[in-house]
Amino acid sequence: DSGVTQTPKHLITATGQRVTLRCSPRSGDLSVYWYQQSLDQGLQFLIQYYNGEERAKGNILERFSAQQFPDLHSELNLSSLELGDSALYFCASSVNWGLDEQFFGPGTRLTVL
Amino acid sequence: GENVEQHPSTLSVQEGDSAVIKCTYSDSASNYFPWYKQELGKRPQLIIDIRSNVGEKKDQRIAVTLNKTAKHFSLHITETQPEDSAVYFCAASGTASKLTFGTGTRLQVTL
Repeated sequence: DSGVTQTPKHLITATGQRVTLRCSPRSGDLSVYWYQQSLDQGLQFLIQYYNGEERAKGNILERFSAQQFPDLHSELNLSSLELGDSALYFCASSVNWGLDEQFFGPGTRLTVL
Repeated sequence: GENVEQHPSTLSVQEGDSAVIKCTYSDSASNYFPWYKQELGKRPQLIIDIRSNVGEKKDQRIAVTLNKTAKHFSLHITETQPEDSAVYFCAASGTASKLTFGTGTRLQVTL
């Protein structure tokens, strides 16, 4: 157990819908990262927040947005869902924004039908 | 941006043999290189990492080497065991702390 929690574990929804994925970082970690992992694919970095502020952005679609709240938990919002958005979404956290080990949560498996 | 290439995509070794996975990166500013192991359906877990001021790091049966001039780094697993079977990802990170992952290597250790 990495100490990073993600909810829900599984999510099944229809195309065009909107969903929210939630992540709680390890106690004391200020950075939260979001990754997308499609079937048999690598890990695609989406976005990073540090202490409530957006720190780095990857190939995140405009239909996706995220935020980090004052209590440091983070939410990833996915809207106008498409079949291709079906994937495993991981959240990770680290102590700082620098060269720190990232601890991954168990992931949320999103299935868009 | 950073681009990380990883080879091979699949690797099959016999138990007890060594396994080597290689990665190259494009951004010369990258200075942190972690390796993650991901078992089927589970989260990626860090197994070893190396920073740019070090050329080699070892932890029991696992070692990582870094050649900054050539911009490549490698993972070495010795005396492989069945529980080493998993997908291994290399990654590179620069000052932005954004990790760029390789495409993964599926390691199969056969008895």
